[in-house]
Amino acid sequence: EAQVTQNPRYLITVTGKKLTVTCSQNMNHEYMSWYRQDPGLGLRQIYYSMNVEVTDKGDVPEGYKVSRKEKRNFPLILESPSPNQTSLYFCASSLLLNTGELFFGEGSRLTVL
Amino acid sequence: GENVEQHPSTLSVQEGDSAVIKCTYSDSASNYFPWYKQELGKRPQLIIDIRSNVGEKKDQRIAVTLNKTAKHFSLHITETQPEDSAVYFCAATSSGSARQLTFGSGTQLTVLP
Repeated sequence: EAQVTQNPRYLITVTGKKLTVTCSQNMNHEYMSWYRQDPGLGLRQIYYSMNVEVTDKGDVPEGYKVSRKEKRNFPLILESPSPNQTSLYFCASSLLLNTGELFFGEGSRLTVL
Repeated sequence: GENVEQHPSTLSVQEGDSAVIKCTYSDSASNYFPWYKQELGKRPQLIIDIRSNVGEKKDQRIAVTLNKTAKHFSLHITETQPEDSAVYFCAATSSGSARQLTFGSGTQLTVLP
């Protein structure tokens, strides 16, 4: 089954404790992206990747890091989480030269105390 | 960069009535405009999209219109049903595909029985 898988789905952590949210897709998509969803603000792009070892900042990259060492994986790293990073995070992927559909993971709800 | 504004933020309609959600964009180079539906607790999913060389597109009960001159596009849902209740997001990009989408803030549609 074609899918984008995120882990963990739910996480409560404390300020400053490094964490990683993993994202994996099995569709051989070149393009992967991370969004955060906050009430009234829609989906805002954090980072994206056009292919292995190619990453770039989105609209709200501060406080986040990413890596793309393999085509299928695109982890989101919070080196020192803060309460303003409490949010619902979505990973998504797409073919680079495609019809346009972005496939989302199920989301990861992060709470930073 | 692109800026997408979406209205209204909430919309309630009676079952069977029509619903219209409107979005404006700022970048005249934008050429791809998808709409995503997010049911409660679920991931966003593409429901319809339109490209800048087309003025209108229909798919059963949903349709999207695009006015490039005015830089706005709209989602129309006819004969609404309870299962249409969800958050709807518009988006825009100049990439021609799902890359680097800028999303609107979302519209919570409630269809009242």
